[in-house]
Amino acid sequence: DTGVSQDPRHKITKRGQNVTFRCDPISEHNRLYWYRQTLGQGPEFLTYFQNEAQLEKSRLLSDRFSAERPKGSFSTLEIQRTEQGDSAMYLCASSPGQIGVNEQFFGPGTRLTVL
Amino acid sequence: AQSVTQLDSQVPVFEEAPVELRCNYSSSVSVYLFWYVQYPNQGLQLLLKYLSGSTLVKGINGFEAEFNKSQTSFHLRKPSVHISDTAEYFCAVTSGRDSSYKLIFGSGTRLLVRP
Repeated sequence: DTGVSQDPRHKITKRGQNVTFRCDPISEHNRLYWYRQTLGQGPEFLTYFQNEAQLEKSRLLSDRFSAERPKGSFSTLEIQRTEQGDSAMYLCASSPGQIGVNEQFFGPGTRLTVL
Repeated sequence: AQSVTQLDSQVPVFEEAPVELRCNYSSSVSVYLFWYVQYPNQGLQLLLKYLSGSTLVKGINGFEAEFNKSQTSFHLRKPSVHISDTAEYFCAVTSGRDSSYKLIFGSGTRLLVRP
C-alpha cells in the first residue's frame, strides 16, 4: 500500500499525559498537512510543511502542540498535557509538487480520546 | 478568509433516486474546489475537483459537480444513488492566494440512502 499511513489509529490517554502521532506521507510528496476533525464537523487545518520546513500554523495550534518533519519525510504531531478538548480525529494529508495546487491525499487518521 | 457552507447536514434519499448535495463558498477569486467522501472511521477520499477549465466536473462513482462562479456554488450530484453511497460528504475550497493551499472544509452532509 503506497498511500498515506498514520500510527496509531486509536489512542486513549488520561488528561495531562503527552501523546505523539506519526504520519508517513506518500513517497516524494513535498507537502504535508495536519488537520483536526471533531465529531460532526469538517476537518480544520492545523499546520503545513513544505519538505522539512513548517511554513504555516493555525491559531488552533496552541503552545501544547508541536509538529516536526525531519528530513522532509515522515512527520510527528505531539500534544503535551492533553486536555479533554483535544479529543478528536487527527488527519494527515500529503500532496505532490512545489508550486501550484494539487490534490491532497489523506491518511486514515488517529482518533484521540482524552479521559 | 475563505469559508464553505454546506446547507444540509443530512440528506435522506431512496436507492436509485437522484441526489444533490449543496455547497457554497465565500469568494470566487482564484478558488479551487473539491468534494471528498468519508466512510465511518476512515480518512477522506477525493471524489472530484475543480481546478480550471470546464465548469462541469466528473468524478468517481458516478458523481459530478458544477462550478458556478456567479452563485459561488459547487453542488454535487448523482443521477442514481446506491446503498453504498451512504457516507459523509465534505466540500472544500482553497485559493491561489494561499501559498500553502490548505483546504477549508464545510461541516459536511450525511447522505443516507434507504432501500
